[in-house]
Amino acid sequence: QVHLLQSGAEVRKPGASVKVSCKASGYVFANYPIHWMRQAPGERLEWMGWINAGTGSTKYSRRFQGRITFTRDAPANIAYLDLSSLRSDDTAIYFCARFRFGYNLDYWGQGTLVTVSS
Amino acid sequence: DILLTQTPLSSPVTLGQPASFSCTSSQGLLHSDGNTYLSWFQQRPGQPPRLLVYKIFNRFSGVPDRFSGSGAGTNFTLKISRVEAEDVGVYYCMQATELMYTFGQGTKLEIK
Repeated sequence: QVHLLQSGAEVRKPGASVKVSCKASGYVFANYPIHWMRQAPGERLEWMGWINAGTGSTKYSRRFQGRITFTRDAPANIAYLDLSSLRSDDTAIYFCARFRFGYNLDYWGQGTLVTVSS
Repeated sequence: DILLTQTPLSSPVTLGQPASFSCTSSQGLLHSDGNTYLSWFQQRPGQPPRLLVYKIFNRFSGVPDRFSGSGAGTNFTLKISRVEAEDVGVYYCMQATELMYTFGQGTKLEIK
């Protein structure tokens, strides 16, 4: 069965960077893009962008342009989100999700809490 | 960016009774390919979002048939025909017609 397992919670100081991983299993990783979203406390879900797990091409939300980088390790079936220049308002749960054409975001990781605090 | 507005923000419902959630888009969601990419997700406490309905009315695998989606253009609805205890959580609509995907602010389903 399809499963996305994300890395554990992180605590960072303002200005630092964080890298979150999303390990896929149960399907052919290269055939489905991975999207990233986040959910800040009390806020709605926010879409951050996606990576083509096969080619590595990316598309980023304008809100994060210049601060985020998506990469993947195709042989290991892992997608990564790198977020830099962290601010306190980046404190959120970060989710990865598989994109399946026609269904959209059909399976989600369990989420990774990133806390930015001095 | 397309703004999705959900109403109500909270919905107290008696077990066995129906529930209805509304999602209104700031612009039409009909894609040039003829599809309307409006989905509904359920998020139970402490869980990630779970896909319930895609392209307005299509139930995802394993979703009970008490859930149904409808709508067109800018107005969309998710209905639960008979609420069960396991339905407690927050329900989000999401549009993927425009590449900058956006979500509604969510409707919280509570049991009276």
